Amino acid sequence: ILNVEQSPQSLHVQEGDSTNFTCSFPSSNFYALHWYRWETAKSPEALFVMTLNGDEKKKGRISATLNTKEGYSYLYIKGSQPEDSATYLCAPDGNTPLVFGKGTRLSVIA
Amino acid sequence: SQTIHQWPATLVQPVGSPLSLECTVEGTSNPNLYWYRQAAGRGLQLLFYSVGIGQISSEVPQNLSASRPQDRQFILSSKKLLLSDSGFYLCAWSFGGGEPGAFFGQGTRLTVV
Repeated sequence: ILNVEQSPQSLHVQEGDSTNFTCSFPSSNFYALHWYRWETAKSPEALFVMTLNGDEKKKGRISATLNTKEGYSYLYIKGSQPEDSATYLCAPDGNTPLVFGKGTRLSVIA
Repeated sequence: SQTIHQWPATLVQPVGSPLSLECTVEGTSNPNLYWYRQAAGRGLQLLFYSVGIGQISSEVPQNLSASRPQDRQFILSSKKLLLSDSGFYLCAWSFGGGEPGAFFGQGTRLTVV
C-alpha cells in the first residue's frame, strides 16, 4: 500500500486569497495521482487524475501539478471563495488499494 | 456508463444489533471494490478492498467484515455493532485493469445508539 502525506492538515484563508496544498507519495510503483474535494458526510468529488510527470491540470480556479520523480503533487486554488471550503484529499494509485491521505481541511473566511 | 449504488443512506441501530450495508456497481466487470469510513474528526480510512469475488483484504482490525458474493456486489457487515462503529461509510469502485479512476457511492450515515 502506498503511503501518502498531505500538508498542511488545515488551512484558514481569507476570501480572495490564493492557496496551495501538498501531497507527497512514494515515487516508485506509481501510475496515477487522484485529487478529490470532500465535504463531510458527502461523496468525494473527483477533481483531477494525473499520470505523467510534469502534468498540470486546471478546473476553473483550481489547478494541480505532478512530479512523479520526486513524489509530490501540488493543488492550487486561486482567489479562494467560501464555497471552496472542504477537505481536499489526494490518493496515489499504484495498482494497490486506493489509500487516501488524511487531507487538507480548507476554511475560507468571507 | 458505470453507476454505483449504496444503501441505505442513513441508519440508526442499537448497540449489539447486526449491520448490513450493500453496494452494487453497474456497467463494468471485475471492478476493484472498497469500503471506507470517515469517523468523527478523522480522514477517509480504508476498511476493506476486494479485487475479485470472494477476495477480501482488511486494512484495519475492527468489529466489521466485508463480503463479495458477486462480481459487482460488496457488503459491509457486523454481527454486533458498537458505539464506536458510528460514522459515515463510503463504498467505491475502480477499474480492475489498472486504469486510474475511483468512483464513490453516496455514502451511509450510521448512528449506533
